[in-house]
Amino acid sequence: GAGVSQSPRYKVAKRGQDVALRCDPISGHVSLFWYQQALGQGPEFLTYFQNEAQLDKSGLPSDRFFAERPEGSVSTLKIQRTQQEDSAVYLCASALAVGQGIGNTIYFGEGSWLTVV
Amino acid sequence: AQSVTQLDSHVSVSEGTPVLLRCNYSSSYSPSLFWYVQHPNKGLQLLLKYTSAATLVKGINGFEAEFKKSETSFHLTKPSAHMSDAAEYFCVVSDRGTGTALIFGKGTTLSVSS
Repeated sequence: GAGVSQSPRYKVAKRGQDVALRCDPISGHVSLFWYQQALGQGPEFLTYFQNEAQLDKSGLPSDRFFAERPEGSVSTLKIQRTQQEDSAVYLCASALAVGQGIGNTIYFGEGSWLTVV
Repeated sequence: AQSVTQLDSHVSVSEGTPVLLRCNYSSSYSPSLFWYVQHPNKGLQLLLKYTSAATLVKGINGFEAEFKKSETSFHLTKPSAHMSDAAEYFCVVSDRGTGTALIFGKGTTLSVSS
């Protein structure tokens, strides 16, 4: 596709329910990122993949959060036993290459809005 | 550790007047710095980025930012605001040592009145 695609765009989950959020990066992009954006805040880094390898998961807030990218393209962020504090927009982003070189722009999807009730 | 501080949570301007959104950064390394814009229910869009080339960086939609190492600042400016500029703006730093995670400021909401 032309951009980073995320689904579902909106999800309401009951507390304790498991959710899965999908990200389709731009075709051929090596780098993939997940961010969490709480209401009124800036996005916060969750995890980073280079192809299928998860190189950095230092931002995942608890062991209830799990991300995978098994074939180096589509990625899924899974949240187990959701809590109210998990309510946020989850942003996926991808980049053609690695690092922050002048030509390596990071493109963001529109986000998946998760509300836990 | 690297961080950014956006000095104003909300800026209001009139259409046709200059825009100034202020950002200070802290980084252990020579940083890469960015400004992103987020319109309601839209994805984040890159406005411009600094990666140690020219200190004055020109971006899209008439925005520019100047990297000032002595002041650890990277303020965003535009000579003349347009109604369509109303959005949330984020100043962002990336530690070039890792080159992966972006660290976002808390954002500045820009309102433009006619």
